[in-house]
Amino acid sequence: EIVLTQSPDFQSVTPKEKVTITCRASQSIGSSLHWYQQKPHQSPRLLIKYASQSFSGVPSRFSGSGSGTDFTLTINSLEAEDAATYYCHQSSSLPITFGQGTRLEIK
Amino acid sequence: EVQLLESGGGLVQPGGSLRLSCAASGFTFSTYAMNWVRQAPGKGLEWVSTISASGSSTFYADSVKGRFIISRDTSMNTLYLQMHSLRAEDTATYYCAKAGTLNWFSCFDSWGQGTLVTVSS
Repeated sequence: EIVLTQSPDFQSVTPKEKVTITCRASQSIGSSLHWYQQKPHQSPRLLIKYASQSFSGVPSRFSGSGSGTDFTLTINSLEAEDAATYYCHQSSSLPITFGQGTRLEIK
Repeated sequence: EVQLLESGGGLVQPGGSLRLSCAASGFTFSTYAMNWVRQAPGKGLEWVSTISASGSSTFYADSVKGRFIISRDTSMNTLYLQMHSLRAEDTATYYCAKAGTLNWFSCFDSWGQGTLVTVSS
C-alpha cells in the first residue's frame, strides 16, 4: 500500500500569506497525485489533478507541483475562504489512498 | 452540470445490511468509472470501492472486501453499494465520486453530498 504523508497537519495563517502543503508518497507514483479541498460540512472538491493540472473553475492562486514521491500544493495570497482541510490522493495503484489531511486555519 | 445524489443511509445494527444509491446526471454515466469514498466522523477520507465504466470490473479496500458489493445500472444512471455484515467501524459519511478521466483509477472530479451510515445497537 502506498502511504501518503502530508505536512503540516495543521497551519494557522494570515490572509495574503503564501501557503505550501507537501505530500510525500512511500513509493514513486509518477504524477498520479491529486489535491482536494474540503470545507466543514461540505463534500471534497477537486483542486489539482495529476500533480500540476488545475481543475476547471479553481482559482489561479492554487497550484501544484512535483512528481515521483514529493508533491506540493501552493496557495498564493491566501483568502479567508480558503480555510479548509486539504487532502492529497494517489491513483497510481491499489489500494487508492489519501493523505491524512492538512487543516488550514485563517487568523 | 454533473450531479451526484446519494441516498439510503441511516441507522443499522451491527451485523445488518444497507444499500446505498447514487443517482447521477449531467454526464454520460456509462463512460466513466465510479467510486465510493467514506469519511468517519471527524476523520479523513478513505477509498472504499471502484467500478469500471462497463461494470465488469470491481475493486475494493481490504476493510470491506467480502462484505460490500459495488454495482451500477446504466439504464437508471445509478451507482449502488450493497453493504453486509456492518460493523461499528463502518460508521461514516459515504460519498459517491465520478472518475475524472476515462481511466479506471483517476482523480475524482465530482462528488455527491454524502449519506451518513451509522452502525450502532
